[in-house]
Amino acid sequence: DGGITQSPKYLFRKEGQNVTLSCEQNLNHDAMYWYRQDPGQGLRLIYYSQIVNDFQKGDIAEGYSVSREKKESFPLTVTSAQKNPTAFYLCASSPGTGTWSTEAFFGQGTRLTVV
Amino acid sequence: AQSVAQPEDQVNVAEGNPLTVKCTYSVSGNPYLFWYVQYPNRGLQFLLKYITGDNLVKGSYGFEAEFNKSQTSFHLKKPSALVSDSALYFCAVRAPFSGGYNKLIFGAGTRLAVHP
Repeated sequence: DGGITQSPKYLFRKEGQNVTLSCEQNLNHDAMYWYRQDPGQGLRLIYYSQIVNDFQKGDIAEGYSVSREKKESFPLTVTSAQKNPTAFYLCASSPGTGTWSTEAFFGQGTRLTVV
Repeated sequence: AQSVAQPEDQVNVAEGNPLTVKCTYSVSGNPYLFWYVQYPNRGLQFLLKYITGDNLVKGSYGFEAEFNKSQTSFHLKKPSALVSDSALYFCAVRAPFSGGYNKLIFGAGTRLAVHP
């Protein structure tokens, strides 16, 4: 089946730890995105990538890092510098530049909790 | 600044009644507008979009939305609500910005509660 797979579904992090959230897509999309969802705040863009080996900061990039070494993969690392990482994280993809009329496709999300 | 507003945190509707979930936007140029639905602890599912043409667009599960350029609105509607429509609904707009990257901007979401 074509789609976006996020793993794990639930993740627990201790204070001071870095954790990495996985996002893989087999839709052959160029563009990939990471959003953070908090209650009552909608979705806020963390990072986005339009093409392999390129990515840009979104609205709330501090304390996060990403890589885009392969077209199908866009992992997100939540570093110890992120002071309030407890949230629901959503990965999305879309075909990319020149296809702005096409909707984005979302994964099922990863819920990260600091313990 | 480019933004999307969903003025209602929650909408309550009786089953069988029509429903409306409101969305207004502020972007430069012609917007591409989207509605998504989210069920608990799940990702977002695409419902419908407006790109150009007819102001009334039809989407999944009997939903439709009306684009109103003068009021910069894109309200989601359904003639007869179902209890299973209860979920969180997001309006989004795609707006180009510097560097040619497209960016999907979301509203805060509206929780729809349909009561039997």
